[in-house]
Amino acid sequence: KQEVTQIPAALSVPEGENLVLNCSFTDSAIYNLQWFRQDPGKGLTSLLLIQSSQREQTSGRLNASLDKSSGRSTLYIAASQPGDSATYLCAVSGNTPLVFGKGTRLSVIA
Amino acid sequence: NAGVMQNPRHLVRRRGQEARLRCSPMKGHSHVYWYRQLPEEGLKFMVYLQKENIIDESGMPKERFSAEFPKEGPSILRIQQVVRGDSAAYFCASSPIPSAGLMNTEAFFGQGTRLTVV
Repeated sequence: KQEVTQIPAALSVPEGENLVLNCSFTDSAIYNLQWFRQDPGKGLTSLLLIQSSQREQTSGRLNASLDKSSGRSTLYIAASQPGDSATYLCAVSGNTPLVFGKGTRLSVIA
Repeated sequence: NAGVMQNPRHLVRRRGQEARLRCSPMKGHSHVYWYRQLPEEGLKFMVYLQKENIIDESGMPKERFSAEFPKEGPSILRIQQVVRGDSAAYFCASSPIPSAGLMNTEAFFGQGTRLTVV
């Protein structure tokens, strides 16, 4: 059974810092990995999709890496801004539909 | 191209009533997934449907919950005789038909329906 773990559960940083969010999964037989952003009381916004054959994806200040063999992914956020404050969710897709971690709650302090 | 549309956004039901949650997938998408998010918890898979077919309902509670995705119209998640523990955010996602041999399709989520049982 696939399990997804995200560390840390919460993170608070001053504006301008670079930061890394971690995601690990137990079954390496995945099709893809997605990072999502969720604002309080809102839905999920897809940030990056990494297919199983890829090592990383970049979008603006975001960079996500995937090490499928070790079951790990990282989301790197450069030059953080208060608007980045949200919960970041990692999810993997394999023989079952998307399995989610519990998320990392990020606060960027101005 | 409108995104995944869910309604209502907020729903309040008294214990014992029925709740009906609707999801219209993105245009061209024929796969729908329902997830439940309890307070301070991650999203938990409930059911995966294609038009007129339930593909995987391994995450659905055995009683009171049902889902459908008819040939015409939105997908419906129905909860009968709601209890306080059903209070949660229910999210719907859709994805396009995977190409032959290609399963790497991106899922797009709606804004969710927040159900409160009083």
